[in-house]
Amino acid sequence: DTAVSQTPKYLVTQMGNDKSIKCEQNLGHDTMYWYKQDSKKFLKIMFSYNNKELIINETVPNRFSPKSPDKAHLNLHINSLELGDSAVYFCASSQRVYEQYFGPGTRLTVT
Amino acid sequence: AQSVTQLGSHVSVSEGALVLLRCNYSSSVPPYLFWYVQYPNQGLQLLLKYTSAATLVKGINGFEAEFKKSETSFHLTKPSAHMSDAAEYFCAVSESSGSARQLTFGSGTQLTVLP
Repeated sequence: DTAVSQTPKYLVTQMGNDKSIKCEQNLGHDTMYWYKQDSKKFLKIMFSYNNKELIINETVPNRFSPKSPDKAHLNLHINSLELGDSAVYFCASSQRVYEQYFGPGTRLTVT
Repeated sequence: AQSVTQLGSHVSVSEGALVLLRCNYSSSVPPYLFWYVQYPNQGLQLLLKYTSAATLVKGINGFEAEFKKSETSFHLTKPSAHMSDAAEYFCAVSESSGSARQLTFGSGTQLTVLP
């Protein structure tokens, strides 16, 4: 009964490739998020999204794009991967203004 | 923009000793505050939250935190550390952005529990 799930858990790819990370939540929440955790464990919001609006962190390169096929899914698509994109990416969800629940993370390694 | 400062990137305590992890925030409006724990190679798990109700908040695994507006602090404590408490702890403040609230995290504190 995983609340927030992500696939894949590990992703190794070469520079220049395009990849996607999938996220699903079964909590019935209306808002989903993507975070990036760097090698120093610093967490930074990338996107927040509900069925009404997408909030993009201005520091996120436009090579990153969230795609939501429905309320329970928010996938992260990354074009032209760079070495600096290597990190752990976390998906999260919440119901309006309340606490966020995190997925297990996807460790992306770009070689 | 709101921000969070966690004093001490590494804290070591002996098993059975008091755990104190410090968190200070800056906010122009009453904040929502959270503590999350991250075990190795896992996601973040919510420990406790402050959302303008009682200033002393109790969470899971025996942790609690006190919101002190005058000190802009939200320190995390546990009376007696257990080996299983060893993990990374993150303090976070929630700010409103449109209809969603985005979390701003502190830099984290790695807690080591010594036998």
